[in-house]
Amino acid sequence: EVQVVESGGGLVQPGMSLRVSCTASGFFFEYFAMHWVRQAPGKGLEWVSGISWNSGKIDYADSVKGRFTISRDNAKKSLYLQMNSLRVEDTALYFCAVVATTSSNEVYYDYWGQGTLVTVSS
Amino acid sequence: DIQMTQSPSTLSASLGDRVTITCRASQNIGGWLAWYQQKPGKPPKLLVYEASSLHSGVPSRFSGSGSGTEFSLIISSLQPDDFATYYCQQYKSFPLTFGGGTKVEI
Repeated sequence: EVQVVESGGGLVQPGMSLRVSCTASGFFFEYFAMHWVRQAPGKGLEWVSGISWNSGKIDYADSVKGRFTISRDNAKKSLYLQMNSLRVEDTALYFCAVVATTSSNEVYYDYWGQGTLVTVSS
Repeated sequence: DIQMTQSPSTLSASLGDRVTITCRASQNIGGWLAWYQQKPGKPPKLLVYEASSLHSGVPSRFSGSGSGTEFSLIISSLQPDDFATYYCQQYKSFPLTFGGGTKVEI
């Protein structure tokens, strides 16, 4: 059974840093791209960042570029998101999402974690 | 960036109704579109990919259609489990973008 579990969320002050993690099991993690998608309270879905299977291709939304860094450790079947210079508008539930195919052109998600809540507030 | 516009934002319907949700892209995305269903407190679930391909395990009352800039998600006969919010997502190019969502309610 595929499982994706996020952790590391919490309450931080504006300008501070936080790292959220995602641990996967039940599938060949090392073969699939992984992404972060967030959802602000009561709002819609917003794509944040994605990383290819071998970390050779990394993309970011403009809203987080230069502040967030995505990485992965295939040996540990883990995905990370280092978030620096956090802003109030970064407050959201952060989902770890598994890209459904190994094709770099087909980036949609068939498995999602339950999310980890990041709250940025003074 | 490709903007995705869904309509309506809220849809009131009854059990057994045929429901159509529309998603419009700001530029041609071919068939690179997915649909998701999300219930409160839960992550999204994949329903359709490549605009019209039903994901494994998704009931056949769901179907997707369209190409280019106009897409639809159709529920042929609304069931109690279908009351949720639905999102479209384009994957023609980065940044990936989602529609604003359509809440289907009684």
